[in-house]
Amino acid sequence: AQKITQTQPGMFVQEKEAVTLDCTYDTSDPSYGLFWYKQPSSGEMIFLIYQGSYDQQNATEGRYSLNFQKARKSANLVISASQLGDSAMYFCAMRVNYKLSFGAGTTVTVRA
Amino acid sequence: SQTIHQWPATLVQPVGSPLSLECTVEGTSNPNLYWYRQAAGRGLQLLFYSVGIGQISSEVPQNLSASRPQDRQFILSSKKLLLSDSGFYLCAWMKRLYGYTFGSGTRLTVV
Repeated sequence: AQKITQTQPGMFVQEKEAVTLDCTYDTSDPSYGLFWYKQPSSGEMIFLIYQGSYDQQNATEGRYSLNFQKARKSANLVISASQLGDSAMYFCAMRVNYKLSFGAGTTVTVRA
Repeated sequence: SQTIHQWPATLVQPVGSPLSLECTVEGTSNPNLYWYRQAAGRGLQLLFYSVGIGQISSEVPQNLSASRPQDRQFILSSKKLLLSDSGFYLCAWMKRLYGYTFGSGTRLTVV
């Protein structure tokens, strides 16, 4: 069975600073994908970044980067230069065999 | 363009009443489709997924069922709602192995 763990229920970050959201995963399947989604209070799920298990380099998308450490089974999200609009819930997710499973999420609050 | 539609946006239903939530996808064929439920302040729980017409995989035993009567239509149903069925229901489709798109969700309150 696949498991995704996000140990930080909530985090506060100062505007313009960077923040790292932790995610660890567990699967015995060698082929998998790792995702991060943002969910604002409206409830929509916004795709942020993707990392494939065979990708050699860490994924980056604008201010988002994924710190992929395969041996440690971790896929932390780094948000650089935080903005007030980054305040939301963030979910780590893993795809194995077409099934996408989610962690419990981390609530990020950006302070001015 | 490829879009996903989910309705209604909000729903208040009495305990014991039936439920039908519909999700449709446009602009693609034979998509993988998914139903998730999210309790308040919690993560997303995968309820059902389908890789083709008439094919349904259930992840969690519960009071709900799903059907896929057409290629781009995915329906979530219940014959008798329970209080514990309250939550935020999200439909999603898989564009490719690294792309999932979610609908706007239905907030269901069972009273």
